[in-house]
This record gives sequence, structure tokens and C-alpha cells, in this order.
Amino acid sequence: DTEVTQTPKHLVMGMTNKKSLKCEQHMGHRAMYWYKQKAKKPPELMFVYSYEKLSINESVPSRFSPECPNSSLLNLHLHALQPEDSALYLCASRPVGAGNTIYFGEGSWLTVV
Amino acid sequence: GENVEQHPSTLSVQEGDSAVIKCTYSDSASNYFPWYKQELGKRPQLIIDIRSNVGEKKDQRIAVTLNKTAKHFSLHITETQPEDSAVYFCAASKGIQGAQKLVFGQGTRLTINP
Repeated sequence: DTEVTQTPKHLVMGMTNKKSLKCEQHMGHRAMYWYKQKAKKPPELMFVYSYEKLSINESVPSRFSPECPNSSLLNLHLHALQPEDSALYLCASRPVGAGNTIYFGEGSWLTVV
Repeated sequence: GENVEQHPSTLSVQEGDSAVIKCTYSDSASNYFPWYKQELGKRPQLIIDIRSNVGEKKDQRIAVTLNKTAKHFSLHITETQPEDSAVYFCAASKGIQGAQKLVFGQGTRLTINP
């Protein structure tokens, strides 16, 4: 099983809403990532969790709040987003260790209205 | 931090010809260099990768070369087919605080003309 599963696939939310994106993998990977991708741009790193601990936060605004409840799950809590936050949010996972492949999920398409 | 430059931004080739995409990176500590293919509306898919202790790797029609001294690496696709049309991203990665941080180039939109 080389799948990283993300839900929901599409999400439309208002600027005052609170919603969450979810990511799950059962490959035993201990590093999990959130990336944001705008149209015609490369994925941009947001957060990295290693062994369920936040190890990298790329100065992401606090309206994005990551959570790693266990080694298989990664959430991204969204609150008071702006229309410019509309993008594809990609979750990824990787076995810990140098030079290992990162596997991306299908992504969650977020539209903020 | 790491900076990855990718060229060209768009590339159009005739079916059956070869395509070459080039990337340079800035951080000599980077040790892993994957290439991803992304079709419209889909996730990035790993197509080939190379580690810093290897100079070249080939997988059927796809090959990657790495020059650590010059800090550049290239993707070569031979006998191109229409299904090779997509956006290709190079990336460079190194370990930071127990995790690998992957930094992407800006992407190359490859179009294969029948």
C-alpha cells in the first residue's frame, strides 16, 4: 500500500468558517508534510512532522493549524482564511532517513469565498 | 536556504524527439534530487530520483544526471510520447531537524506535438 489518502477532495468555505483537512497513511512513514500549491506554481512547503512532532513550520500564518494525532494521521485545521488561501493542499509522507521517496496524496482543493 | 532554479519554463518537442530539463541548486548539503511529473488537476508523481553519491540513473526512457561540483542535475526523456505532456518539477532535499525538506524548482511545462 503506497497510498496517502486525503479528505475531503474539494472544500468550499467562508472566511468565518472553521474546517479541517485530513490525511492518512498506513505505510509506517514517520515523516508527514503539508504543502500548498497555487495554480501554475510548484508545491510550497508549509509544515513537517517527524515522529509526530512538528519539526518545520515555514512561517505559516496562524490561521493554519497542523495537528498530528498519531503516526498515521495528519490534520490541517483552517480558521478565518482569506480568498488568497484558495489552493490545492497536498499531504505527503516519507520514511525517515536520508534520500527516501516522498509520496503525495491526491490533494484537497480548497476554495475560500 | 536552498534555492532551486529550473529551465526552461516551457518546452515543446516533436513526438519521438528527446527532451532535456535542467536544474541548479544552491545548497551543497542537499543530497537527494527527485523529479516529479504533474498532470493537470492531479498530484505530483515521482518519476525518477537520484542520490548525491550517484552521477547518473536511468529507467527506460527517462534518465537523470547529477553534477555535484557544479550543483546541477538534468532530466532526459528520450523517444517522447504524447502522454509525456505534463508539468515536470525538479527538487532538492536535505535533512533538517530530523526531517527531509524538499524544495521544488518552478516547473517546466512539456508539450509533445504529434
